[in-house]
Amino acid sequence: GQSLEQPSEVTAVEGAIVQINCTYQTSGFYGLSWYQQHDGGAPTFLSYNALDGLEETGRFSSFLSRSDSYGYLLLQELQMKDSASYFCAVRDGRNQGGKLIFGQGTELSVKP
Amino acid sequence: DSGVTQTPKHLITATGQRVTLRCSPRSGDLSVYWYQQSLDQGLQFLIHYYNGEERAKGNILERFSAQQFPDLHSELNLSSLELGDSALYFCASARRGTDTEAFFGQGTRLTVV
Repeated sequence: GQSLEQPSEVTAVEGAIVQINCTYQTSGFYGLSWYQQHDGGAPTFLSYNALDGLEETGRFSSFLSRSDSYGYLLLQELQMKDSASYFCAVRDGRNQGGKLIFGQGTELSVKP
Repeated sequence: DSGVTQTPKHLITATGQRVTLRCSPRSGDLSVYWYQQSLDQGLQFLIHYYNGEERAKGNILERFSAQQFPDLHSELNLSSLELGDSALYFCASARRGTDTEAFFGQGTRLTVV
């Protein structure tokens, strides 16, 4: 089966850096994605890693280590608007099918 | 705006009833996913359709069913509703079945009373 583990909540102050970890277990691996969800809103795609290493998109970076089945999302220069839930997700499946499975989410609280 | 449309936005219904949630994917997207999100919970995968065919099922209850029509819109049918079915139901669409970037609709908030 598939499973993803991430911390349930993280707190940081404005301007700081925070890292949200994700470990996964899947029968087939097609990359790790990250999504952001503000309170009850639609989740939005942030980043995707198919290969090992760091992907940078502005203040957000995402890292993947396939050998460790581990990835993280790094948020820099935190702003109050970054307070949200962050989900890692993996695809399990093949041939134009499969499941897009999400972790339970990490609630990030940014304090002034 | 993600380009994915879900209707209705809110739905209040009684236990034992049946409802249909509708999802119109982004233009050109062939994949539609359905998720259930209960209060303060994660996104529970329900089912995936690709170009009209069911491709994967999650822990979807037998009381729930879905389909994707030739015009690629999808409907999620929930029957014999129970209080515990109250949740946010999201659909998401993607260009292909292998894409990991999915675009979510605003969700349907279902309240069963």
